Amino acid sequence: EDKVVQSPLSLVVHEGDTVTLNCSYEVTNFRSLLWYKQEKKAPTFLFMLTSSGIEKKSGRLSSILDKKELFSILNITATQTGDSAVYLCAGVNAGGTSYGKLTFGQGTILTVHP
Amino acid sequence: ETGVTQTPRHLVMGMTNKKSLKCEQHLGHNAMYWYKQSAKKPLELMFVYNFKEQTENNSVPSRFSPECPNSSHLFLHLHTLQPEDSALYLCASSPSRGGSQPQHFGDGTRLSIL
Repeated sequence: EDKVVQSPLSLVVHEGDTVTLNCSYEVTNFRSLLWYKQEKKAPTFLFMLTSSGIEKKSGRLSSILDKKELFSILNITATQTGDSAVYLCAGVNAGGTSYGKLTFGQGTILTVHP
Repeated sequence: ETGVTQTPRHLVMGMTNKKSLKCEQHLGHNAMYWYKQSAKKPLELMFVYNFKEQTENNSVPSRFSPECPNSSHLFLHLHTLQPEDSALYLCASSPSRGGSQPQHFGDGTRLSIL
């Protein structure tokens, strides 16, 4: 059975800090890893990572995948109160009866204080 | 605005009631999904539809009955639910089932079973 584990489960920082969120996965027929940000509503898509070692960036957020060690990190620099949210990662299975299935981690609750 | 609209936003029902959740996507996608999000648990996949055909039922109890009349609409019919079914129910869509592109989520229906 596929499994995704995120750490830490919660994190409290002050504005301006840099944070690193971790995601380890065990996904058979692994295709890609996704990061989402969830405030009170819909999870919104951040990154899709398919290849090892290629950093994806969007403003203050960046993410990288290590397919050998089976993990990904999400970095947020110069955090702002608007970054407060639950960050979800999910592994995508590309084979057999689980074709295209996403397995989510528990999420990391990030709280950024002014 | 994610392009995926869910109604109602909140629903309170008794265990003997019958109700339906509705999801509509305006993205031209061919795959649609139902997820359950309970407190302190990872997002759980319930059902997958691809081109209106159900391709996955993730061992969901029969008191949850999905319906997909076309690629833009997805329903979840509920009857004789249990208190442990109280959760946020999220709908998502993607261009295809295979996971090569990210899923886009609606804001969810917050369901409370009395």
